[in-house]
Amino acid sequence: NAGVTQTPKFQVLKTGQSMTLQCAQDMNHNSMYWYRQDPGMGLRLIYYSASEGTTDKGEVPNGYNVSRLNKREFSLRLESAAPSQTSVYFCASKPEGPNTQYFGPGTRLTVL
Amino acid sequence: GDSVTQMEGPVTLSEEAFLTINCTYTATGYPSLFWYVQYPGEGLQLLLKATKADDKGSNKGFEATYRKETTSFHLEKGSVQVSDSAVYFCALGGNTNAGKSTFGDGTTLTVKP
Repeated sequence: NAGVTQTPKFQVLKTGQSMTLQCAQDMNHNSMYWYRQDPGMGLRLIYYSASEGTTDKGEVPNGYNVSRLNKREFSLRLESAAPSQTSVYFCASKPEGPNTQYFGPGTRLTVL
Repeated sequence: GDSVTQMEGPVTLSEEAFLTINCTYTATGYPSLFWYVQYPGEGLQLLLKATKADDKGSNKGFEATYRKETTSFHLEKGSVQVSDSAVYFCALGGNTNAGKSTFGDGTTLTVKP
């Protein structure tokens, strides 16, 4: 099993550009999550999906959109990137119940 | 809402020293509690967990006990190694299927030889 995979690993954008961060999991998990990690601020939840076909806002959704394409894939889109979106983005998945989340390796995004 | 408060870092220890990283929480209901570890350049990975009061989670020499009376889940290790240098996150997980977790801000541990 590959677990949770994320692409790309690194990305540099200019202000106003758009891009999509890809995430896939092969563990047949129902729930998937997108977080951003900034120095001194821990992990903040952007969006999550409790099951295929549903998505909900997390703590910091402004400036982002998501798509739960199928059970495996959960993408995060920045329509018009801003410097404040410079961060490390982590995708995670979780089986049903109060269980561990499994994290991908992260995407390091810089917006100039 | 739910919240997790972790001991502020960074923490610097010498090899073989005793480690404690404090974690307290506020939550409704009966959450599961987790410690995750993040090595440089990697994502978070589970270190240990406890699902009910008085449970002790343990892994790789690390331990934490779910204390409902003090709403705490402190991480301890008797003798740290250089390879334990990482960022440690305390988290609580909800009991719904969406199971959103709440994370602490992380504590950076550096162990010097």
